[in-house]
Amino acid sequence: GESVGLHLPTLSVQEGDNSIINCAYSNSASDYFIWYKQESGKGPQFIIDIRSNMDKRQGQRVTVLLNKTVKHLSLQIAATQPGDSAVYFCAENILHKGKFYFGSGTKLNVKP
Amino acid sequence: DAGVIQSPRHEVTEMGQEVTLRCKPISGHNSLFWYRQTMMRGLELLIYFNNNVPIDDSGMPEDRFSAKMPNASFSTLKIQPSEPRDSAVYFCASTFGVGNTEAFFGQGTRLTVV
Repeated sequence: GESVGLHLPTLSVQEGDNSIINCAYSNSASDYFIWYKQESGKGPQFIIDIRSNMDKRQGQRVTVLLNKTVKHLSLQIAATQPGDSAVYFCAENILHKGKFYFGSGTKLNVKP
Repeated sequence: DAGVIQSPRHEVTEMGQEVTLRCKPISGHNSLFWYRQTMMRGLELLIYFNNNVPIDDSGMPEDRFSAKMPNASFSTLKIQPSEPRDSAVYFCASTFGVGNTEAFFGQGTRLTVV
């Protein structure tokens, strides 16, 4: 469904540590789940996606895990860097509808 | 490619005035989205075009909002008359095909209605 956000949850991590950002989704009909990163003053930027028939996908320093049983998605960032500080959004995509909806976002704060 | 280009970057207008936001998608992309972002409601999808045709405008909040895509390289989002509650950052995004998960966003237009 549509995104509704009140107050952004914040995750603070030390530089070099691993980060895990979580997202709960509601639509079982979604074909893809996607993570976007939004830096201050910029538009969201695609990070990685995962098809609904998969449970894990790895990219460069990032891993996305999908648990359809509990409708939960997570983004793991290895060796977090100051440049990773941003707001991270999960999004759901239903292919035949051609559009996608964003979750409320999590702010990642990386401490040097 | 310069990416998705939006103009203006900032707009301050008085309540009741007409506001027009502009977007130039990435060349070759045939799907275009308009989103609105506020702290209270997050990123909301307003309208989605495919091949210049509006496919889904169910997110457009009221009749005061209208969007057009006269050709593949240009789209507008118009608010008439504008109200203070329309204050938000408006993003345009484009992608190729239907259901492509990687959309490219512009820098956004920060609209303030006073």
